[in-house]
Amino acid sequence: DGGITQSPKYLFRKEGQNVTLSCEQNLNHDAMYWYRQDPGQGLRLIYYSQIVNDFQKGDIAEGYSVSREKKESFPLTVTSAQKNPTAFYLCASSIPKTGGPRGYTFGSGTRLTVV
Amino acid sequence: GQQLNQSPQSMFIQEGEDVSMNCTSSSIFNTWLWYKQDPGEGPVLLIALYKAGELTSNGRLTAQFGITRKDSFLNISASIPSDVGIYFCGGSGAGSYQLTFGKGTKLSVIP
Repeated sequence: DGGITQSPKYLFRKEGQNVTLSCEQNLNHDAMYWYRQDPGQGLRLIYYSQIVNDFQKGDIAEGYSVSREKKESFPLTVTSAQKNPTAFYLCASSIPKTGGPRGYTFGSGTRLTVV
Repeated sequence: GQQLNQSPQSMFIQEGEDVSMNCTSSSIFNTWLWYKQDPGEGPVLLIALYKAGELTSNGRLTAQFGITRKDSFLNISASIPSDVGIYFCGGSGAGSYQLTFGKGTKLSVIP
């Protein structure tokens, strides 16, 4: 079955370390997204990519970086510059269309905790 | 950027009651999607709406795309304990390929 796989499910980071969250999809979707979720804050867009080798900053990109070398993969690196990285991170993918995205699907999330 | 207001923030209801929640936007949307999120999991799509006035059902769930294209509502009829979770609306406007999300409605069902 097609879907989005995020790994790991739980991740612990020490202060000053960079960590990378994995997101892989086999839905053949062109667009992929990263969201951050904090209690009471809803889903905030970090980065998105509409095609391979291209990506755009979302609303809260500072302290994060991404790459899109393959259609199936969109890893997110949380750098030491992100001052408050403890959160639940969600990856999503879709088929971009001018009338609105189709098939907008989420992964099961990665919970990142700074220790 | 686009602003989305979702209400209510939380609801406590008795099992068997009907539930209604809604989202309004500051600009015209051409897509409204409704998701449910269980604790520690990713949101799962419930209903997708792509046309103003569209009314779509999925079992006990019904959602409508407002005719002004600035709002949408989700109704749940005869609630059951497994309806517990956070419900999110998401919308996108013309020329946008990503969704803007509301802050969610946390639903609690009392048996």
